[in-house]
Amino acid sequence: GQSLEQPSEVTAVEGAIVQINCTYQTSGFYGLSWYQQHDGGAPTFLSYNALDGLEETGRFSSFLSRSDSYGYLLLQELQMKDSASYFCAALGATNKLIFGTGTLLAVQP
Amino acid sequence: GAVVSQHPSWVICKSGTSVKIECRSLDFQATTMFWYRQFPKQSLMLMATSNEGSKATYEQGVEKDKFLINHASLTLSTLTVTSAHPEDSSFYICSAFGQGREETQYFGPGTRLLVL
Repeated sequence: GQSLEQPSEVTAVEGAIVQINCTYQTSGFYGLSWYQQHDGGAPTFLSYNALDGLEETGRFSSFLSRSDSYGYLLLQELQMKDSASYFCAALGATNKLIFGTGTLLAVQP
Repeated sequence: GAVVSQHPSWVICKSGTSVKIECRSLDFQATTMFWYRQFPKQSLMLMATSNEGSKATYEQGVEKDKFLINHASLTLSTLTVTSAHPEDSSFYICSAFGQGREETQYFGPGTRLLVL
């Protein structure tokens, strides 16, 4: 089967750096995406890694290691508004996205 | 980014009735749309892939006769929950993937369904 595992919850303080890990087991893997979802809202796209290495987009960075079937999302200079659920998602054949278990990030003052 | 809309944003219905949810890509042609379901505090579960002009492809465990999907045009896909029951109450989200938007799927705002 296909699965993407994430820690269920992470807590950090404003201004800190937090890393959310994602380990995956999928077939037909093309790349790893990350999405943010605030309570009651739809997922919003954060980043996509097709190749190994680090992709940086402002305060958010994402990393992929295909050989380790592992990726992470790095959030820097945390703000209260970053409190949300974060999902990794594997892109597979026919452009299907399989979502990870999700991580609830709580940013404290 | 690209815009995807869903209608209605929320719906309450009686058990046994059918509910239709529309998903529209507003500024691009979506060759493929996806339907997801999300229960509270859980992840998004892919229900089906909807391709314009062809039958939808359903994920394992999703009843195709209960969740009818139609993708009649390049900008519209509909999901009909037939004979809805309380256990069908969920957050239904569509996403669109299309020409010129290959970098990601764009998600609609979701439809919250409550079946009484």
